[in-house]
Amino acid sequence: SQKIEQNSEALNIQEGKTATLTCNYTNYSPAYLQWYRQDPGRGPVFLLLIRENEKEKRKERLKVTFDTTLKQSLFHITASQPADSATYLCAPRGGGNKLTFGTGTQLKVEL
Amino acid sequence: DVKVTQSSRYLVKRTGEKVFLECVQDMDHENMFWYRQDPGLGLRLIYFSYDVKMKEKGDIPEGYSVSREKKERFSLILESASTNQTSMYLCASRPNRGRSGELFFGEGSRLTVL
Repeated sequence: SQKIEQNSEALNIQEGKTATLTCNYTNYSPAYLQWYRQDPGRGPVFLLLIRENEKEKRKERLKVTFDTTLKQSLFHITASQPADSATYLCAPRGGGNKLTFGTGTQLKVEL
Repeated sequence: DVKVTQSSRYLVKRTGEKVFLECVQDMDHENMFWYRQDPGLGLRLIYFSYDVKMKEKGDIPEGYSVSREKKERFSLILESASTNQTSMYLCASRPNRGRSGELFFGEGSRLTVL
């Protein structure tokens, strides 16, 4: 069955450092992969999409990579700030109209 | 800006009650979705709809039904609430056409079943 894995343990980093979050998937080949941010008690908010034929996508301090051979996406936040503290969800898109989400990784950026 | 509005942020119901969760979007999106989110399990798709009066089962439809009588409104119904349906429920919408296929989520409805 299709499986999406994100680090369940929270990632704690110092302000100004680069945060790197990992998303691994198995048993399917997504045409694209999305990343969302979710704050406590709120709905997820879309951040970035990367397609299977793209290796890297950037948006301001965010960078996403997509390795279809490794079946992995990495999500980077450079020059991290306390305001970046949130849970980040990856969502590879397979066939059909459904989007399947990982369980998310909580990021805490400390002063 | 796209807005997805869920009718109730917090609800407390008793076992066996019928529960309605309402979701309205204001951007004429064709597709609407209901997810539930639980710690350690992430978001799981309950039902989705790609058009008025159309519905498709997601990954965990048991114990739920949905209604889409108008394009902007998608309702989730718990016919007889049970304690294992205590969860955060998230509604989302998405247009058929769009560069990113992103989902627009509501703020969520936290349901507690006693």
